[in-house]
Amino acid sequence: GAVVSQHPSRVICKSGTSVKIECRSLDFQATTMFWYRQFPKKSLMLMATSNEGSKATYEQGVEKDKFLINHASLTLSTLTVTSAHPEDSSFYICSARNTSGISYNEQFFGPGTRLTVL
Amino acid sequence: DAKTTQPPSMDCAEGRAANLPCNHSTISGNEYVYWYRQIHSQGPQYIIHGLKNNETNEMASLIITEDRKSSTLILPHATLRDTAVYYCIVRVEFGGTSYGKLTFGQGTILTVHP
Repeated sequence: GAVVSQHPSRVICKSGTSVKIECRSLDFQATTMFWYRQFPKKSLMLMATSNEGSKATYEQGVEKDKFLINHASLTLSTLTVTSAHPEDSSFYICSARNTSGISYNEQFFGPGTRLTVL
Repeated sequence: DAKTTQPPSMDCAEGRAANLPCNHSTISGNEYVYWYRQIHSQGPQYIIHGLKNNETNEMASLIITEDRKSSTLILPHATLRDTAVYYCIVRVEFGGTSYGKLTFGQGTILTVHP
């Protein structure tokens, strides 16, 4: 089946530093990827839609200068949390929409990245 | 905002069928019903989806009412490993600015007990 990976799985950083999270579709092409954030005991909240070769579309209330998204290839999107603060601590999850093959248009999720900002 | 309503929690005995309901009374003609589940501290896992016909795969069955305003996910023989949060989502399949987006509600916490 379709596999989406995220790296790192867990990161702890100091306040004020920037953290990059990678999302890769391992066995399919994904022109569109999505980034979600999930706080403890809460549901997933969509942050932005990442489109290969173009600018990301951010959901209302999400700061695009704070959460930089780059989707440079059909299999890789990155989310950079800039100048991280403790309130940015969360579980970040990406998903990739398959644009080829028998699972066309299905969305597959990565395992998530746990970010802790001290 | 999520367009679905689910009970916050349900219990099920191991080996029995788990029937998880979902209301989506404002569903549009170009929206499918999707079910995902999330086991603690993992990414959501796709289960099944459908438009208006009942669907079955190796994981579950999906029953959609004729008016499409509600659906039921059926896990035929629940196991302890099925304990998870189950999300029912309606998704635009084509056209419009919401194309492909998944908007998660609060889901149903299903606890399967021995």
